[in-house]
Amino acid sequence: GEQVEQLPSILRVQEGSSASINCTYENSASNYFPWYKQEPGENPKLIIDIRSNMERKQTQGLIVLLDKKAKRFSLHITDTQPGDSAMYFCAASSNTNKVVFGTGTRLQVLP
Amino acid sequence: DMKVTQMPRYLIKRMGENVLLECGQDMSHETMYWYRQDPGLGLQLIYISYDVDSNSEGDIPKGYRVSRKKREHFSLILDSAKTNQTSVYFCASSRDWGAYEQYFGPGTRLTVL
Repeated sequence: GEQVEQLPSILRVQEGSSASINCTYENSASNYFPWYKQEPGENPKLIIDIRSNMERKQTQGLIVLLDKKAKRFSLHITDTQPGDSAMYFCAASSNTNKVVFGTGTRLQVLP
Repeated sequence: DMKVTQMPRYLIKRMGENVLLECGQDMSHETMYWYRQDPGLGLQLIYISYDVDSNSEGDIPKGYRVSRKKREHFSLILDSAKTNQTSVYFCASSRDWGAYEQYFGPGTRLTVL
C-alpha cells in the first residue's frame, strides 16, 4: 500500500539547537500534510499542518516546508527545549485518500 | 470542548477471550478510526468508519471487527484475542476522511496473556 517514509527514526540534539525531520510521500494527489506530537504516555496531537497551496508555514518555533515536485515535506524545530522531547509523526492525505502516517521520529533534546 | 474518549484505559485479558474497546466523540465527526501502536511501527490503521454502518478495512484488519451504530460511538472487537494483539489502541475522529485534522483519544493499553 501507499507509504510515507519518515527519517530519522531517532534524533538527538543539544538544547537550543534546531531539529529537522523529513518525510517523503508517494501519492501525488496528496494535498494535506499534518504533523503530530506524541509525548510519553499521551495521545498524538496536531502541532502544525500545511496544505499543498503553500510551500512554507511557521508557528511558535515550528517551520514546515513542502516540496511538491520532490514529494517531500519537513518539520524544523528551532531553539529546541526539553519540552520538545517526544515522538513526532508526519502524515499525508488528500480529499480522495485517507491519511497515511510515517513511522515516527523520537526526538531527544539533551541538556 | 472537543473530546474523544476511550474505555477502558487499561485491560488485561487471557488468550481466547473476547475484547470490546469503546470510543466516543462529542464533535459530530463523520469519520472515526481505530489504530494500534507498537514500538517502531508507528500508527497502524485497523479500521476506518465513514459514518454509521459504513466501515472499511484499514491496513491490518485481520483479527478485528468494528461496530458503529451511532455517529458518536465506534467499537473495536477482538473475537478470541491473541497474544500478538497486545498493544496500545488509539481511536480517532475527524470531520471528514480526507484532508482534515484527526483528534485522538487517550488510548487503551491492552495486554493479552
